[in-house]
Amino acid sequence: AQSVAQPEDQVNVAEGNPLTVKCTYSVSGNPYLFWYVQYPNRGLQFLLKYITGDNLVKGSYGFEAEFNKSQTSFHLKKPSALVSDSALYFCAVSSRAAAGNKLTFGGGTRVLVKP
Amino acid sequence: SQTIHQWPATLVQPVGSPLSLECTVEGTSNPNLYWYRQAAGRGLQLLFYSVGIGQISSEVPQNLSASRPQDRQFILSSKKLLLSDSGFYLCAWSAVGAAVGGEQFFGPGTRLTVL
Repeated sequence: AQSVAQPEDQVNVAEGNPLTVKCTYSVSGNPYLFWYVQYPNRGLQFLLKYITGDNLVKGSYGFEAEFNKSQTSFHLKKPSALVSDSALYFCAVSSRAAAGNKLTFGGGTRVLVKP
Repeated sequence: SQTIHQWPATLVQPVGSPLSLECTVEGTSNPNLYWYRQAAGRGLQLLFYSVGIGQISSEVPQNLSASRPQDRQFILSSKKLLLSDSGFYLCAWSAVGAAVGGEQFFGPGTRLTVL
């Protein structure tokens, strides 16, 4: 079975400061890891993924994430947050063994960026 | 490019009435398709997924059913809605050809309120 934990329900950060959203995972075999963002009453937007290779993955809108196998973590980061980054962020995990490319999502972290 | 459509965008239905939500994907062939429900703007629950026409896998026992009558059409149905069926329903697709670590792409969602 695969699982994802996002330990923070909400993260508050001032505009211009670095933003980190935490994610840890559990999966059999090599993980495929994803980050999505959701704005109110909208579908999820894909930000980035880690499949293999470089542990630092760069994605859309200036976001990046670092895969750490020993800590089973995949934290999302942005060097300088914008007010428009305020949204709900989801981490997800899959694996080669997952039938139908099923993703398991974390519970989500709400990010609030204050001016 | 690929696009995914869902309709209706919002729906208010009485308890005991039937339901039909539709999802269509354009610009790709033989996608994997998924139905999720999101309650209270938080975590996503995978309801059904399909790897081909007529092939439906149910993730949780419930009052809902899914069908895939055409390659790029996915329908979520109920014969009699319950109050607990209220929520935000999201359809998603992923490319089978990129099955290894294939990310899912989400539609805009349908907000269902059962009264």
